Amino acid sequence: GQQLNQSPQSMFIQEGEDVSMNCTSSSIFNTWLWYKQDPGEGPVLLIALYKAGELTSNGRLTAQFGITRKDSFLNISASIPSDVGIYFCAGPQLPYSGGGADGLTFGKGTHLIIQP
Amino acid sequence: DTAVSQTPKYLVTQMGNDKSIKCEQNLGHDTMYWYKQDSKKFLKIMFSYNNKELIINETVPNRFSPKSPDKAHLNLHINSLELGDSAVYFCASSQVGGLGGKLFFGSGTQLSVL
Repeated sequence: GQQLNQSPQSMFIQEGEDVSMNCTSSSIFNTWLWYKQDPGEGPVLLIALYKAGELTSNGRLTAQFGITRKDSFLNISASIPSDVGIYFCAGPQLPYSGGGADGLTFGKGTHLIIQP
Repeated sequence: DTAVSQTPKYLVTQMGNDKSIKCEQNLGHDTMYWYKQDSKKFLKIMFSYNNKELIINETVPNRFSPKSPDKAHLNLHINSLELGDSAVYFCASSQVGGLGGKLFFGSGTQLSVL
């Protein structure tokens, strides 16, 4: 099956710093999504990307759909304590069944820890 | 109102028991899913249901069986629980309208098998 390689696995940063993480796939994707998971909660969608080269922002978060369609990047500017959590990239579950209800496959996550 | 709600939040049980986790979504979505998150936080899809039809069944033991009484509910039954079943189980839903549809997750059920 396809693999999503997400890096770094964890980040220890100071409050106010910018954060960058990325995700690469062994397969070409038509969609990239980024989720955040807080402790004790389910993943919450941050940004969805649907076009190669697309750059989309959501507040201090910016994500890009790589032009090769095999990678994506997430940047967080001026990090704050509530940014702590696990960030997951996700793409369509392969192989496609054709019905559209295939769900998502997830990377292994980037754990973000912020030191005040 | 919670969009995707699952119960219980915590489930502690003995090996060999049978247990169920319930999930309900009020988003009007037509597809629901179960995901398993292991101790390393890796999320893996188990099942999806679309209009009461099982679409995906990954290599999950047949001790796990999804049950959908209607498109707003997808329950997970687990028979003969094993230690390795300990994990967090997430229910999710989406509206099918293309590949890689946005999934909305519940807050999870932490299952501990003793």
